[in-house]
Amino acid sequence: QQQVKQSPQSLIVQKGGISIINCAYENTAFDYFPWYQQFPGKGPALLIAIRPDVSEKKEGRFTISFNKSAKQFSLHIMDSQPGDSATYFCAASMSETSYDKVIFGPGTSLSVIP
Amino acid sequence: SAVISQKPSRDICQRGTSLTIQCQVDSQVTMMFWYRQQPGQSLTLIATANQGSEATYESGFVIDKFPISRPNLTFSTLTVSNMSPEDSSIYLCSVVGRGANIRGQYFGPGTRLTVT
Repeated sequence: QQQVKQSPQSLIVQKGGISIINCAYENTAFDYFPWYQQFPGKGPALLIAIRPDVSEKKEGRFTISFNKSAKQFSLHIMDSQPGDSATYFCAASMSETSYDKVIFGPGTSLSVIP
Repeated sequence: SAVISQKPSRDICQRGTSLTIQCQVDSQVTMMFWYRQQPGQSLTLIATANQGSEATYESGFVIDKFPISRPNLTFSTLTVSNMSPEDSSIYLCSVVGRGANIRGQYFGPGTRLTVT
């Protein structure tokens, strides 16, 4: 019940296309859903996050869509660029300001080809 | 966001030895965590570093193998003891900030450990 599922495992997108990564969770106590971006040799960087009281959050080219009833959320990267090539992790936590650990999905390796 | 540094950035160690990894944050934070990330894998939480008290370990991780200290609100260490090749991994420090200017959980650059 503590798991966060993520798909696809890897994704190849043409430059300018839309990258979509999907995640699902079981524990309804999760209250904060961040996405992390990790480049090779670097630590994960917080990219964008959402709480379940909103259905969508957009920051630049990155949008999170959230479906509370289905317990699913997704990351959309619009106008994907080669510089977006990285591993993306969805995650879930009991609270944004937690005091509690973050549970990570298995990750999606994104390659944006010119 | 908080600026987190880790030392060393990487190391190659012999089987049976121990390595202590340091994590320094540029501002006071509420929580500090230690994660392990094996190559190409997701992050696994090792423990929560508690200031002034014993760390809280996740299932599968024990204090004798991964002793942790957190003497103040900006510093923590993780020791990987009696290392074996299976301990080869990236070890990441993570923090949860205090106040509205540091929200969410942030990660250090990681320490890449290779055990031979």
